[in-house]
Amino acid sequence: KAGVTQTPRYLIKTRGQQVTLSCSPISGHRSVSWYQQTPGQGLQFLFEYFSETQRNKGNFPGRFSGRQFSNSRSEMNVSTLELGDSALYLCASRTGATGEQFFGPGTRLTVL
Amino acid sequence: QKEVEQDPGPLSVPEGAIVSLNCTYSNSAFQYFMWYRQYSRKGPELLMYTYSSGNKEDGRFTAQVDKSSKYISLFIRDSQPSDSATYLCAMSNNAGNMLTFGGGTRLMVKP
Repeated sequence: KAGVTQTPRYLIKTRGQQVTLSCSPISGHRSVSWYQQTPGQGLQFLFEYFSETQRNKGNFPGRFSGRQFSNSRSEMNVSTLELGDSALYLCASRTGATGEQFFGPGTRLTVL
Repeated sequence: QKEVEQDPGPLSVPEGAIVSLNCTYSNSAFQYFMWYRQYSRKGPELLMYTYSSGNKEDGRFTAQVDKSSKYISLFIRDSQPSDSATYLCAMSNNAGNMLTFGGGTRLMVKP
């Protein structure tokens, strides 16, 4: 079974721009969560989508948003990029029946 | 104080040693406990998953959860240089949808 895939793998943007990241979960998984990883703050939860509905949201500003499609694929959008948004953005999927979450390789975003 | 505390290391051991990694937590609502391994510039890889208290063994890895002490452990037997990575503990409540991570312990296994 294929794992979680994320595109693009690397991205360079400038302050003020916006960015969209994509995640395809493991086949059959209906829940997709997004996390931000930085050296200073570690791994932090952004939000979770299940059956196209956002079920939970972490403590991030409204510039961070997401959505999920009917095929469970998910996108995350960050508007008005700031230097501090430079991070590894990770997507994780699970069936929804258990707590096991499987991570993708991440998208490394650099904001200049 | 963070909800999940983990010694950042680095922890350096010789090849073949038994490694003990630990996390403490403060939220008694946590029910799912996981250990992930993360190599540099890669995504976290799920190693062990435990629901509630108890022990779980998988090959060279053993995970222990002591909810009364709010303490979880990961043991690695016969450690290999390929085990050199950052190990992250993670946990969530019964909904299982939002993981809270420790800061990670960097492990180095010397040949």
